[in-house]
Amino acid sequence: DTGVSQDPRHKITKRGQNVTFRCDPISEHNRLYWYRQTLGQGPEFLTYFQNEAQLEKSRLLSDRFSAERPKGSFSTLEIQRTEQGDSAMYLCASSPSPGGLGYGYTFGSGTRLTVV
Amino acid sequence: LAKTTQPISMDSYEGQEVNITCSHNNIATNDYITWYQQFPSQGPRFIIQGYKTKVTNEVASLFIPADRKSSTLSLPRVSLSDTAVYYCLDPISSGSARQLTFGSGTQLTVLP
Repeated sequence: DTGVSQDPRHKITKRGQNVTFRCDPISEHNRLYWYRQTLGQGPEFLTYFQNEAQLEKSRLLSDRFSAERPKGSFSTLEIQRTEQGDSAMYLCASSPSPGGLGYGYTFGSGTRLTVV
Repeated sequence: LAKTTQPISMDSYEGQEVNITCSHNNIATNDYITWYQQFPSQGPRFIIQGYKTKVTNEVASLFIPADRKSSTLSLPRVSLSDTAVYYCLDPISSGSARQLTFGSGTQLTVLP
């Protein structure tokens, strides 16, 4: 499978715990994105990497959120001290550079986070 | 403030043609019009993109009038498997394609 892989697919955690998600992009894509999607809404941009450099962060990405992409390959998104409002689907996408005006993006199937 | 407006939901029957219209009144000269599709428990998937007039691929057609302030996604002869949410994205500038902006989308339900 040469698509974008995300792990885990589902995560249930207690409020206050830390969680970490992993994304493996398409290997030849050097751009990687994280989005968050709540029920009934479209995905919202969180952050963007060009290789290992984090170049953009949304104001949605509070101090409790941190993303890394060591060596420009896979990426991790960590949420510290989770809150119930963090419950959402976290989507990862990758694209080649240049970005292809939206048609070169490939999304993973997401990680569904439930904070109880 | 959302830059696109599309219906919240639509129902159709198998075999019918479905047209979903999106308005994007603030589109700029360099902007492209892009539609994505999302099935339950999956990430969004690119369907089609256009700049003007008509674009057709194996999945859909996209009709764009001369003023480009709206676009219509046309799905020919839908089947049950076309039930999904269809997003008309905020127009994408040729100068910046790093961030996709989705609205709430149109939930299309295809009935037998």
